[in-house]
Amino acid sequence: EVQLVESGGGLVQPGGSLRLSCAASGFTFSSYEMNWVRQAPGKGLEWVSYISSSGSTIYYADSVKGRFTISRDNAKNSLYLQMNSLRAEDTAVYYCARSRSFLEWLFDYWGQGTLVTVSS
Amino acid sequence: DIVMTQSPDSLAVSLGERATINCKSSQSVLYSSNNKNYLAWYQQKPGQPPKLLIYWASTRESGVPDRFSGSGSGTDFTLTISSLQAEDVAVYYCQQYYSTPRVTFGQGTRLEIK
Repeated sequence: EVQLVESGGGLVQPGGSLRLSCAASGFTFSSYEMNWVRQAPGKGLEWVSYISSSGSTIYYADSVKGRFTISRDNAKNSLYLQMNSLRAEDTAVYYCARSRSFLEWLFDYWGQGTLVTVSS
Repeated sequence: DIVMTQSPDSLAVSLGERATINCKSSQSVLYSSNNKNYLAWYQQKPGQPPKLLIYWASTRESGVPDRFSGSGSGTDFTLTISSLQAEDVAVYYCQQYYSTPRVTFGQGTRLEIK
């Protein structure tokens, strides 16, 4: 059974940093592209970042470019999101999501999400 | 970025009746080289992550009941639930994956029981 379990969320002050983790199991993690998608409270879905299966190709939404860094450790079956210079508008549930297939940018498995709250 | 607009924002349908949700993209998501529409639908129940229902505009994901169907091409798409069940209460999102990496979602349609 495919499982994605996020951790690392919490309350952080504006300008602060947080590192999210996503532990994957039940599939060959190193063969799949991975993403972070966020959802502000009561709002819709926003794609945040993508990383290829090897980690060699990375993309970011304009809203987080230069502040967030995605990475992965295929030996540990883990995906990460380093978030710096956090703003109030980054407050959201952050989901890690698996790309369904190579270069198919739709998401067939999602974690339960971890809540990031940016507030003073 | 491609803007995805869903209608209506909310919908109330009686049990056993048909529910129809529309999604319009600001530009075509039909890729001419393979004749595929890069459009997916997700279902999100309260307190849960989204669940993939349909991709390529009309292909049901494995395990999704056949009362869910997708249709449309180019810029106009529809998700239809043929006979609404209580467990279908959720927010539904469309997503275009034509313009990568800038994939975008619709604003969501809340489906309730009348």
